[in-house]
Amino acid sequence: GNSVTQMEGPVTLSEEAFLTINCTYTATGYPSLFWYVQYPGEGLQLLLKATKADDKGSNKGFEATYRKETTSFHLEKGSVQVSDSAVYFCALSADSGNTPLVFGKGTRLSVIA
Amino acid sequence: GAVVSQHPSRVICKSGTSVKIECRSLDFQATTMFWYRQFPKQSLMLMATSNEGSKATYEQGVEKDKFLINHASLTLSTLTVTSAHPEDSSFYICSAREAGTGANVLTFGAGSRLTVL
Repeated sequence: GNSVTQMEGPVTLSEEAFLTINCTYTATGYPSLFWYVQYPGEGLQLLLKATKADDKGSNKGFEATYRKETTSFHLEKGSVQVSDSAVYFCALSADSGNTPLVFGKGTRLSVIA
Repeated sequence: GAVVSQHPSRVICKSGTSVKIECRSLDFQATTMFWYRQFPKQSLMLMATSNEGSKATYEQGVEKDKFLINHASLTLSTLTVTSAHPEDSSFYICSAREAGTGANVLTFGAGSRLTVL
């Protein structure tokens, strides 16, 4: 079946450090890939997405590239801020229909000043 | 953009009582909504898929008689936790997909934190 594996946290970085959160997936066909962010006490917000191989999703300085050859969708940001502290979820959707997302377990990021 | 409103955001109830959580798509129609449950420091577990005008589809291991889902209109789905017990305490999150948006992008509600005493 479809699954998502992401690096376990927590990840603690100093402000302006480089961030990478690894995400790999297993899926049949050609899934769409997503990163969602959950700030403390809130629901999930879509951070970025990519719908086909080699697509790069980007938003708020975060980027992730859909790599079919390595079945990966790693999240990166060149310079993190304290306000980026949150839990990040990698997710996939097997098709464009009304199917639920499959989530990774989440990675908690703490950025300290 | 698409907005999903979830209410209440926090609820505390006594063991044995029932609690209803509402999920509304504010500016779009959603024929399908999804209910997730999130345990502390864990990922989201899909509970059920709510289909407008028909019965919900529950994931394996989720008690349909305990977690009643009703999707009465294209903009409203409700989750009722019946005869709640402390182990039902959790963060419940609903989501919906706006039709015609292409990739399966889900918009999430802000979640409802249920505490059962």
